[in-house]
Amino acid sequence: EIVLTQSPGILSLSPGERATLSCRASQSVRSSYLVWYQHKPGQAPRLLIYGASSRATGIPDRFSGSGSGTDFTLTISRLEPEDFALYYCQQYGASPETFGQGTKLEIK
Amino acid sequence: QLQLHESGPGLVKPSETLSLTCTVSGDSITNSNYYWGWIRQPPGKGLEWIGNIFYSGSTYYTPSLKSRVIISVDTSKNQFSLKLSSVTAADTAVYYCARHSRFWYDAIAYYYVGWFDPWGQGTQVTVSS
Repeated sequence: EIVLTQSPGILSLSPGERATLSCRASQSVRSSYLVWYQHKPGQAPRLLIYGASSRATGIPDRFSGSGSGTDFTLTISRLEPEDFALYYCQQYGASPETFGQGTKLEIK
Repeated sequence: QLQLHESGPGLVKPSETLSLTCTVSGDSITNSNYYWGWIRQPPGKGLEWIGNIFYSGSTYYTPSLKSRVIISVDTSKNQFSLKLSSVTAADTAVYYCARHSRFWYDAIAYYYVGWFDPWGQGTQVTVSS
């Protein structure tokens, strides 16, 4: 199965700053079939990005995804207070689907 | 608006069977465009896919849990359920149910691969005597 490694484990930034989160796959992900989720404590995980770069319905344009092959990036252009959360990537390029271990985005 | 809600006991004894139900509202569980799935998150660890079910009853499980997992569907109640047998402390986790997109067909695995959206809020299950 494809192993996804997210980095950094914790990212400390201030509101207004730019956040760059990485997701690296152990092998190439077919057709960039990768999604990103945002997860806040006590809430349901929320789909942000699918197909590596397409925003899901209702997701603000400060969230963007990029990448292909084995390296993928989630960028939040200007952090809002509500963006501080856990972020997970998940690949659907091969069965079984697998998740990264997550990046915690915390307020500096 | 589609919503999913997990329910079931929060405490299970070791060696017993964990049983959870996911109630779907806002969409029919018989919608052929989707699977319905279970994912869990042990404390301090990442997300782990457990398995999916199609409304017809076809099931797909992660290999590491396959011998202990049964996922079933009740279309009359718009619900699907998870049973995990012979639990240990390692099965302590937050358990989520979610709708699965069935995006593309992996002919080798006989399985539609995809992503999960939306998810339920999750339910904590602790395995302890």
